[in-house]
Amino acid sequence: EVQLVESGGGLVQPGRSLRLSCTASGFTFDDYAMHWVRQAPGKGLEWVSGISWKSDNVGYADSVKGRFTISRDNAKNSLYLQMNSLRAEDTAFYYCAKDFDPGDDFWNFPGGFDVWGQGTLVTVSS
Amino acid sequence: SYELTQPPSVSVSPGQTARITCSGDVLPKKYAYWYQQKSGQAPVLVMYEDSKRPSGIPERFSGSSSGTMATLTISGAQVEDEADYYCYSTDSSGNHKGVFGGGTKLTVL
Repeated sequence: EVQLVESGGGLVQPGRSLRLSCTASGFTFDDYAMHWVRQAPGKGLEWVSGISWKSDNVGYADSVKGRFTISRDNAKNSLYLQMNSLRAEDTAFYYCAKDFDPGDDFWNFPGGFDVWGQGTLVTVSS
Repeated sequence: SYELTQPPSVSVSPGQTARITCSGDVLPKKYAYWYQQKSGQAPVLVMYEDSKRPSGIPERFSGSSSGTMATLTISGAQVEDEADYYCYSTDSSGNHKGVFGGGTKLTVL
């Protein structure tokens, strides 16, 4: 069974940092690009960041560029999101999602996602 | 930046056809994907590459795309289809960004 499990969420003060992790199982992790998507309470979905299987194609939403860094460790079947300089507006459920494709094609990255984790809640508040 | 625009809400009676639209300038060049999210749950893929239905998704769900508009159609909507629906697509200029529409609340009653 394909499964994605996020961890690392919690309560953090504005301006501080937090690192989210996503552990994958049930598929060959390094065959696929991966993404982070977030959803503020009561709001819609927002794509945050994506990374190709080789980490050579990476993208960020304008709202997080320069503050968040996506990375992956294929040997550990794990995806990460380092979040720095956190703001109240970063409060959200953060979902890990698996792409349909490896993400090699520069002009066709990112793709869509076929599997989602259950999410981890990040609350930024003093 | 670019946007995808969805109607905030669509309402139908059980058995009727529900159509949810998604408009955006990128859609003639990029695929649309559709996600269903029920209250308190993670999103689920219900349509990919405009019109392909994942295994396990009922046949009453179909998708199409023409020009700058993609449409998710639920033929004979059921009460259990009541959910938020989001379209998603990707940047076409090599900026490596994805974008969701604002979401459509489908009410079936």
